[in-house]
Amino acid sequence: DIQMTQSPSSLSASVGDRVTITCRTSQGISNYLAWYQQKPGKVPKLLIYAASTLQSGVPSRFSGSGSGTDFTLTISNLQPEDVATYYCQKYNSAPFTFGPGTKVDIK
Amino acid sequence: EVQLLESGGGLVQPGGSLRLSCAASGFIFSSYAMSWVRQAPGKGLEWVSGVSGSGSSTDYADSVKGRFTISRDNSKNTLYLQMNTLRAEDTAVYYCAKGVVTAVYYFDYWGQGTLVTVSS
Repeated sequence: DIQMTQSPSSLSASVGDRVTITCRTSQGISNYLAWYQQKPGKVPKLLIYAASTLQSGVPSRFSGSGSGTDFTLTISNLQPEDVATYYCQKYNSAPFTFGPGTKVDIK
Repeated sequence: EVQLLESGGGLVQPGGSLRLSCAASGFIFSSYAMSWVRQAPGKGLEWVSGVSGSGSSTDYADSVKGRFTISRDNSKNTLYLQMNTLRAEDTAVYYCAKGVVTAVYYFDYWGQGTLVTVSS
């Protein structure tokens, strides 16, 4: 099975900062990658699919890039409401594995 | 409005069985893949199982293969997860999640989850 890694596992940044989270897969998955945001005590929310397509209603400060094995999620202007854990997920074929998550908080 | 309502969670002894249900509304249920995703206390998300819109294709994580069975009743707009031979490590909140088309498994809507606790 394809292994998923995310880095960093956690980060602390200031409001207004640009934040980048990396997701790597052990084999190429083309652009079959989604990103989710899970706020504390809440249900996961889809942010991005097809590696770079923003889900409807998601603020434009979120963006995604990458293809193959290396992907990034960028928050361009970190806001207090962005405090959450972010997960990547592959969906090219089963198992549709999630990454281990990156916890983002405000410095 | 899309709604997913899970039920059936609870406390069960190791080796026991439980059946989860997810009642769906607000979309054409048979047109979309569905999955179960779980989250152990304080841990990350783990995809458990998925079924295509027609129900003809199913997939499982290795951790549950042979013990869990996913199914759906498109006439009742309901997704199921039959869980047998439960282990302590199956303790988690189980979410029902809607795929974006009949056989694509990323998820645009999630239920609120149902807690399964496996303990003696």
